Amino acid sequence: DTGVSQDPRHKITKRGQNVTFRCDPISEHNRLYWYRQTLGQGPEFLTYFQNEAQLEKSRLLSDRFSAERPKGSFSTLEIQRTEQGDSAMYLCASSSTRGNSPLHFGNGTRLTVT
Amino acid sequence: GQNIDQPTEMTATEGAIVQINCTYQTSGFNGLFWYQQHAGEAPTFLSYNVLDGLEEKGRFSSFLSRSKGYSYLLLKELQMKDSASYLCAVRNAGNNRKLIWGLGTSLAVNP
Repeated sequence: DTGVSQDPRHKITKRGQNVTFRCDPISEHNRLYWYRQTLGQGPEFLTYFQNEAQLEKSRLLSDRFSAERPKGSFSTLEIQRTEQGDSAMYLCASSSTRGNSPLHFGNGTRLTVT
Repeated sequence: GQNIDQPTEMTATEGAIVQINCTYQTSGFNGLFWYQQHAGEAPTFLSYNVLDGLEEKGRFSSFLSRSKGYSYLLLKELQMKDSASYLCAVRNAGNNRKLIWGLGTSLAVNP
């Protein structure tokens, strides 16, 4: 168990550019979540996968955001035409389907849009 | 609506005991989690309660009362490294089992 890994750790981009983040969950976990967190706030839910199926996407999420989990293993989160308000920590988490299974978080990708 | 309340900040002394409270109002309940988050790092799982009562895990304990919509995290023998944000999260019932998060309690442990 190597834990949840995210890449890159930091990303600085100019407004209007597209960015893509990757998440590799714990191998036996079939649930994968993307969250966004800004300073002093709790994690904000973005989207959720069970295996390769995207089961829910936050209504707060604009169409510029898209996520995939093509083979039910790693996932990517893409933000198109980035805006300064997209600057945040993007957290990926995974869990099993057991009833008391907690979410295990990766170290996050910190995005700065200039 | 759905709401989770916890104090914004707390201060305690090294070696002491501190209790961080969390109250929740959610449309469904399928367990309550406590996470620790150091500045600039990801949340780390601490404890899980789904039945009423106290769960003890070393220096940390967590209590749940479902009828009152209330939980607390108890930290004993505080150490400087316990200075962090402590997040309370409630898992929804239903298929997505999504977590609803509080804003976190920033704990400062002083010598």
